[in-house]
Amino acid sequence: GAVVSQHPSWVICKSGTSVKIECRSLDFQATTMFWYRQFPKQSLMLMATSNEGSKATYEQGVEKDKFLINHASLTLSTLTVTSAHPEDSSFYICSAPPTGFEAFFGQGTRLTVV
Amino acid sequence: GQNIDQPTEMTATEGAIVQINCTYQTSGFNGLFWYQQHAGEAPTFLSYNVLDGLEEKGRFSSFLSRSKGYSYLLLKELQMKDSASYLCAVSDGNNRKLIWGLGTSLAVNP
Repeated sequence: GAVVSQHPSWVICKSGTSVKIECRSLDFQATTMFWYRQFPKQSLMLMATSNEGSKATYEQGVEKDKFLINHASLTLSTLTVTSAHPEDSSFYICSAPPTGFEAFFGQGTRLTVV
Repeated sequence: GQNIDQPTEMTATEGAIVQINCTYQTSGFNGLFWYQQHAGEAPTFLSYNVLDGLEEKGRFSSFLSRSKGYSYLLLKELQMKDSASYLCAVSDGNNRKLIWGLGTSLAVNP
């Protein structure tokens, strides 16, 4: 099956710094990538949709300037959390859209801001 | 509006059968998914239903009734490793965006 590789798996950073999370589609071309955030014991919350060659589409309430999304190529989408704060600590996960049977998820990134 | 409802928590006994229900109200419908998620891990695909009826895959089965906006996931011969969160998601149209339920946390006890 298709594979989405997400890195890093976990990261700890200081408040005020920026963190970049990468998602690569290894054996298929992803023109679209969904970025989710998940707090403990809660469901996936869609943050934004990245589109190769165009601007990302953000969900209501998500700060565009804080969560920078770039879809540089058909195999790479990145999420940069800028000026991170402790409240940004969460589980971030990317997903390529469902092809009819399943969505392909990255492994997820556990971000801890201290 | 878009809405997916499923129970927050369920408890069952090892070896038993459990049914997790999901009801949905969406502007469109292009299939319903069930995912399993263990804490700290990515969701893993369990099933996909786009037509009415029952889909069986080993110990897991999923049922869909489009007219009722209803689905259930049936887990048989429960094992301890089945303790996880089970997420119901609906694809509502052409943009392939999934609408997610809040998940059902299942605890399997010995």
